[in-house]
Amino acid sequence: QKEVEQDPGPLSVPEGAIVSLNCTYSNSAFQYFMWYRQYSRKGPELLMYTYSSGNKEDGRFTAQVDKSSKYISLFIRDSQPSDSATYLCAMSDGAGGTSYGKLTFGQGTILTVHP
Amino acid sequence: DVKVTQSSRYLVKRTGEKVFLECVQDMDHENMFWYRQDPGLGLRLIYFSYDVKMKEKGDIPEGYSVSREKKERFSLILESASTNQTSMYLCASLVRGALGTEAFFGQGTRLTVV
Repeated sequence: QKEVEQDPGPLSVPEGAIVSLNCTYSNSAFQYFMWYRQYSRKGPELLMYTYSSGNKEDGRFTAQVDKSSKYISLFIRDSQPSDSATYLCAMSDGAGGTSYGKLTFGQGTILTVHP
Repeated sequence: DVKVTQSSRYLVKRTGEKVFLECVQDMDHENMFWYRQDPGLGLRLIYFSYDVKMKEKGDIPEGYSVSREKKERFSLILESASTNQTSMYLCASLVRGALGTEAFFGQGTRLTVV
């Protein structure tokens, strides 16, 4: 079993739709949860960052973390064609220890928002 | 802005060649990472380095080595390229702060081994 599992998609939605992207994980040591967005032929860029359980909102994006269920989500409201990209969840057990803050990624979900 | 620069966007190499992928960051970050990205598999960690001349194996180090002679530069070496190493290679540098860590990625090198 992979440490981080992400719904593979691909996902195709009409403009304006609400998008839900999800990941589950097995390592209870993970404390930091991130969503990266990767446009075609580019490197990933950090989109959202959450520490421990709870919600975080940034404009049209909301990240949720439920550590008791080992489940994280990213919601995109009023989705736009410019949101079309691959979305990657990533997790870390923190800044210390022998992991040196390394990130463990999900497989990525390809999202297409069509006009 | 943090800048992580990979030396090549696209590379085509022959089976058995020794291949060098270079990565340079301009933010004096201690930690640097090499990942490969394949469809359906996401990003998988090959090697990382937490200081000059220090390195640690990631999840899939076989067939690869690394070099970190200067803090800003982290090189990935394919000792004898094989077709199953055809992939997108991503370098990242990582900053550790009070809220944890953030990774900054280069634009990627798409390597094809023929």
